Amino acid sequence: ETGVTQSPTHLIKTRGQQVTLRCSSQSGHNTVSWYQQALGQGPQFIFQYYREEENGRGNFPPRFSGLQFPNYSSELNVNALELDDSALYLCASTPSGSDEQYFGPGTRLTVT
Amino acid sequence: DAKTTQPPSMDCAEGRAANLPCNHSTISGNEYVYWYRQIHSQGPQYIIHGLKNNETNEMASLIITEDRKSSTLILPHATLRDTAVYYCIVRNMEYGNKLVFGAGTILRVKS
Repeated sequence: ETGVTQSPTHLIKTRGQQVTLRCSSQSGHNTVSWYQQALGQGPQFIFQYYREEENGRGNFPPRFSGLQFPNYSSELNVNALELDDSALYLCASTPSGSDEQYFGPGTRLTVT
Repeated sequence: DAKTTQPPSMDCAEGRAANLPCNHSTISGNEYVYWYRQIHSQGPQYIIHGLKNNETNEMASLIITEDRKSSTLILPHATLRDTAVYYCIVRNMEYGNKLVFGAGTILRVKS
């Protein structure tokens, strides 16, 4: 139990639609990172937020965006969904002063 | 980011030690070796990390060679619940929390 929750657990969307995934972490976890994990592969870093600002990004297009809120929750938004966006989306939070990341269980997104 | 190489899969008998190797020949002096595992349908779980010296915690031991080009994760007494994908990651702390995952090693613990 990491104290990181994600919602929804599963989601099915149609190509071209937009989706918002949510993550909630523990108090004091002021860094959150998002990862995309395609079937059979390791997670790929999308971006990270620190104190509500993006401060690191992987090789993902601008249609992947995020928000972090003062209450230690965050969102991943994906616009203009493509079939290849089908994946498990993981968020990970880090307590202040720590290097360890605590991962949530993920949201399984299917794009048809 | 330094690249890691791991065997795609390994088997281990329950109760025996599981030794998972990782090659990271291009590691830089300020990069750490991290190990995570991912049990089916769950998010990755932190196991252990180290820079130069060997490390041990309640879950595992990490042995890093003197030249730092390879390491071994040791689960001293593997149980069926240790069946998972194990990821060896070289992490540059200057890049914040970014973790670069490879394909990992599927460890199957068998009774």
